[in-house]
Amino acid sequence: GAGVSQTPSNKVTEKGKYVELRCDPISGHTALYWYRQSLGQGPEFLIYFQGTGAADDSGLPNDRFFAVRPEGSVSTLKIQRTERGDSAVYLCASTWTGGGEQYFGPGTRLTVT
Amino acid sequence: AQSVTQLDSQVPVFEEAPVELRCNYSSSVSVYLFWYVQYPNQGLQLLLKYLSGSTLVKGINGFEAEFNKSQTSFHLRKPSVHISDTAEYFCAVSLKSGTYKYIFGTGTRLKVLA
Repeated sequence: GAGVSQTPSNKVTEKGKYVELRCDPISGHTALYWYRQSLGQGPEFLIYFQGTGAADDSGLPNDRFFAVRPEGSVSTLKIQRTERGDSAVYLCASTWTGGGEQYFGPGTRLTVT
Repeated sequence: AQSVTQLDSQVPVFEEAPVELRCNYSSSVSVYLFWYVQYPNQGLQLLLKYLSGSTLVKGINGFEAEFNKSQTSFHLRKPSVHISDTAEYFCAVSLKSGTYKYIFGTGTRLKVLA
């Protein structure tokens, strides 16, 4: 079956611009996570959705970052006024509620020039 | 708070040799434990997980790991590696309740040499 998909696979943007990163989870998965992986590091948690609501956004680095999941399926991570330090691979994962294995998408590589 | 330490940033090993990738964690409460593999320009793929039960866990591609509660470790092992095992390996933990978000280690790059 279809796995988690993320678009675009690569995004190059200029400092100060606005970007949107999309995640399409596995059908039926109610839990959705965003992580950020900087070069040479492990992924770091950003935000967790259970259904349509953001149940935990403690990992968002500042108020330039925002994410939505309006219908409980597709999620969009939005970054305003991008900075060079935002350059990273942004990973999305989904799962059924209740813990256990998370299924990861291929990621979006964001480069801010 | 939880933390994960992967002491070895890089591990070179010859093909068909055994390998162990080390993972230690810190947590005041019980956690679930995971190993994921990341091939170049790809997402994370689950190798194995420990949720409960037997402390020796077998995963895909011939990998296994042993949960040691007293040493707070979850080391990954393979008795004989192949060139195709060259990849980045991540250990992760999650709480057994709440959001189940992962805390990852910094990763170990396994390079299998011919």
